[in-house]
Amino acid sequence: DSGVTQTPKHLITATGQRVTLRCSPRSGDLSVYWYQQSLDQGLQFLIQYYNGEERAKGNILERFSAQQFPDLHSELNLSSLELGDSALYFCASSVGLNNQPQHFGDGTRLSIL
Amino acid sequence: DQQVKQNSPSLSVQEGRISILNCDYTNSMFDYFLWYKKYPAEGPTFLISISSIKDKNEDGRFTVFLNKSAKHLSLHIVPSQPGDSAVYFCAASAVGGTYKYIFGTGTRLKVLA
Repeated sequence: DSGVTQTPKHLITATGQRVTLRCSPRSGDLSVYWYQQSLDQGLQFLIQYYNGEERAKGNILERFSAQQFPDLHSELNLSSLELGDSALYFCASSVGLNNQPQHFGDGTRLSIL
Repeated sequence: DQQVKQNSPSLSVQEGRISILNCDYTNSMFDYFLWYKKYPAEGPTFLISISSIKDKNEDGRFTVFLNKSAKHLSLHIVPSQPGDSAVYFCAASAVGGTYKYIFGTGTRLKVLA
C-alpha cells in the first residue's frame, strides 16, 4: 500500500461528458503529480502541484485541468471527453521539491464509450 | 520524441538466474533515475533509484547501474524469483526544479519456475 488513494477505480462515461478524478496523497507529502497511461504506453506526465500551487505542466490538453486543495488532495477534471481519452490516470505524491521517489496510487481507469 | 527508451518489450528468465533490464536516455540534463515495478491493476511501485553522481546503487537483490557516457542504465535482479514477474519501467528526471518523471514504455519480465 503506497498510501496514495485514488477514486474512483473505474469510470465509464460517454463522449462529450465531464469527469473528476480524485487523489489523496500520502500523509506528509506536499507534491502531487498526475500521469496518463494509454494502452501499451509509458506513463505521460500531465501536471504537478506543490502545496496548492501549480509547479509544472506536461502534455496536458486544454480540456483537462487540475487543482490541489488546502488539505492537499487533488482533483483532475477532464471535459469534452473524446474516445482517445480512455486511459489509466495515475496520481503520485512525494514529500517536496527534491529528488525523492514518487509514490503512486492504483489509478483510475477511464473508459469512454 | 521518446527521451527514455526501453527497447525490449519483454524478457523471460529462469528462476534463480539474473534478470537484466535496460534503459537508454537521450537528455543529458537527466540527473536522477528510478526503476518501478508494476503489477496488473496496481500502480507502479518504487524499486530503486540512482543519482547521476553515482554509477551503481544496490538494494538487496536489485542493483541499478548508470553509464552516463553511454546514457544507459540497467537493472539487475539476482536471483530472479517468480514474484518478480511484472512490468518494469525506468524513469528519469532533469535538473530544473520540477522533478517530473519521464517514463520509458516498460519491459514485461516473466520469471519461469
